[in-house]
Amino acid sequence: SYELTQPPSVSVSPGQTARITCSGDALPRHNAYWYQQKPGQAPVLVIYKDTERPSGIPERFSGSTSGTTVTLTISGVQAEDEADYYCQSSESSGPYEVFGGGTKLTVL
Amino acid sequence: QVQLQESGPGLVKPSGTLSLTCTVSGDSISSNFWTWIRQPPGKGLEWIGYIYHSGTAYYNPSLKSRVTISIDKSKTQFSLNLSFVTAADTAMYYCSRVNSYGAMDVWGQGTTVTVSS
Repeated sequence: SYELTQPPSVSVSPGQTARITCSGDALPRHNAYWYQQKPGQAPVLVIYKDTERPSGIPERFSGSTSGTTVTLTISGVQAEDEADYYCQSSESSGPYEVFGGGTKLTVL
Repeated sequence: QVQLQESGPGLVKPSGTLSLTCTVSGDSISSNFWTWIRQPPGKGLEWIGYIYHSGTAYYNPSLKSRVTISIDKSKTQFSLNLSFVTAADTAMYYCSRVNSYGAMDVWGQGTTVTVSS
């Protein structure tokens, strides 16, 4: 079955830049999406179509893509950005959707 | 403002059927895809399936034999049925809208379902 691979955890100090990667063979052919989930809350979309930011999401959130890897970058990390982050994309033989295993972002 | 609200029993017996409904307000259910996602306690997100307003549905292959998603446009609701449940199906279940960019852009608050006798 198709998998999207994320690092389990990333730690940064406030004001630094956090980068969370997501790898998958089909990523060059399908859009990727990123969701932020804080404890006890539903996920929130923070990036769509690899690089687009929904209205209301701070500019410090950005997305990029290179080959089979997509990256969520949070510039000038703030304490409120501490959360779990999930990438999501499609599988070519689908249509069906897959989530990465999630990355816990810790703000030191 | 688009809102989604999950509803259904919080406790289901093993080998029974889990049935949940998502009520949509603030948007026409006759557009977009509508999807179900679940999250076992302490674990990550798992896509269950989605349905288009035409009634065409697509499912996660790992659940396909047990899942049915349906839509009731008159009630602006879509529903999830998961049969032959086990403890492994215990999770928070979310419904969400999939917009024209393929993004799950609006989520319900989620509902907890426990499978136990």
